[in-house]
Amino acid sequence: AAGVIQSPRHLIKEKRETATLKCYPIPRHDTVYWYQQGPGQDPQFLISFYEKMQSDKGSIPDRFSAQQFSDYHSELNMSSLELGDSALYFCASSADRTTFSYEQYFGPGTRLTVT
Amino acid sequence: AQTVTQSQPEMSVQEAETVTLSCTYDTSESDYYLFWYKQPPSRQMILVIRQEAYKQQNATENRFSVNFQKAAKSFSLKISDSQLGDAAMYFCAYRILYGGSQGNLIFGKGTKLSVKP
Repeated sequence: AAGVIQSPRHLIKEKRETATLKCYPIPRHDTVYWYQQGPGQDPQFLISFYEKMQSDKGSIPDRFSAQQFSDYHSELNMSSLELGDSALYFCASSADRTTFSYEQYFGPGTRLTVT
Repeated sequence: AQTVTQSQPEMSVQEAETVTLSCTYDTSESDYYLFWYKQPPSRQMILVIRQEAYKQQNATENRFSVNFQKAAKSFSLKISDSQLGDAAMYFCAYRILYGGSQGNLIFGKGTKLSVKP
């Protein structure tokens, strides 16, 4: 079965640079979520999109922005990177209004290292 | 605000034995879902099991089962016949339901499970 795809898998950036993370949800999934997992931490919700519209916002810094495109893929844009942004960034997708399972399926994550 | 607490930072089990991981949560909502996710060393987040709050019957998926006590706000995971591949970090997660969608997951801090051969 198709899974959530994230690219790139690893990314190394310097402080104050910009990074773009991409997520391709499972086909026919209408909702995308972004989570940030710091070292030794639990995943923290950043932002979500339903049918290409922002649906919920968590602890996402103002330096970050995201959007979902017409083909349902999503991008997380991160500017003015700080050392503390080094983390594993997960994208997850769900199809609540069609499956009613309310399960979120996670991609493999993008490991961002800021030096 | 909803919170999820996992009081066991680390647990250990002998291969083929049974282990129970604890999770409690705090919410004033009546409609919600609870999940257990497994995160092996690869860091992939893998859904293990799901429980709907409105269901009294405990969920079961092969060797994994839950003990859901809604009044006590408790949601423990039992792993039977533990295997070496079960070694991982296990996260308990809560998801509110509103509008039929749009609920992000709230995670506990995780329990690191070791399996001894």
